[in-house]
Amino acid sequence: AQSVTQLDSQVPVFEEAPVELRCNYSSSVSVYLFWYVQYPNQGLQLLLKYLSGSTLVKGINGFEAEFNKSQTSFHLRKPSVHISDTAEYFCAVSQGAQKLVFGQGTRLTINP
Amino acid sequence: ETGVTQTPRHLVMGMTNKKSLKCEQHLGHNAMYWYKQSAKKPLELMFVYNFKEQTENNSVPSRFSPECPNSSHLFLHLHTLQPEDSALYLCASSPLGQAFGSGANVLTFGAGSRLTVL
Repeated sequence: AQSVTQLDSQVPVFEEAPVELRCNYSSSVSVYLFWYVQYPNQGLQLLLKYLSGSTLVKGINGFEAEFNKSQTSFHLRKPSVHISDTAEYFCAVSQGAQKLVFGQGTRLTINP
Repeated sequence: ETGVTQTPRHLVMGMTNKKSLKCEQHLGHNAMYWYKQSAKKPLELMFVYNFKEQTENNSVPSRFSPECPNSSHLFLHLHTLQPEDSALYLCASSPLGQAFGSGANVLTFGAGSRLTVL
């Protein structure tokens, strides 16, 4: 069975600093990988996805993620964060069926 | 506005009440989903509907009863709930029939219905 581990439940950073949110997955077959963001009092919004091709994926709001098959990781990065990036971030994996398996989420807090 | 609208946004109910959550999507998608989001737990898939037919029931207790009258509307009927059912219930939709991986897995979520069971 697939599983997703987000290694940090909370990540505090200062504004304009870089950030990396870590995600590891377990699967013995090819997967599709996603990062979703949830702003306060809202649903989840797709940030970016890896389906195939280049292992470096660029998403919205300046975020990017790198698929590393040997390390089964899909870490999310942003070189300079803003207050508006304060949200909860979810990594998810799918083997192609409609069952997305989500991690527990990482709460990103941006301090001025 | 994502194109997926959920009502009500907040609901408080007693354990003996009967209520319903509603979801409507304006994206032309053919698949709809219910997820449960509880504090400190990963999102849990509850139900999947493809072209109005239920294709997934993830061992959800019968006190939750889904209904999908057409591809644009999805309901979750609630009765005799327990306090541990208090959570954020998220509806999502996705396209079907596209090339594998190109769009079929990309879910669009609504803002959720926050349910409190007293």
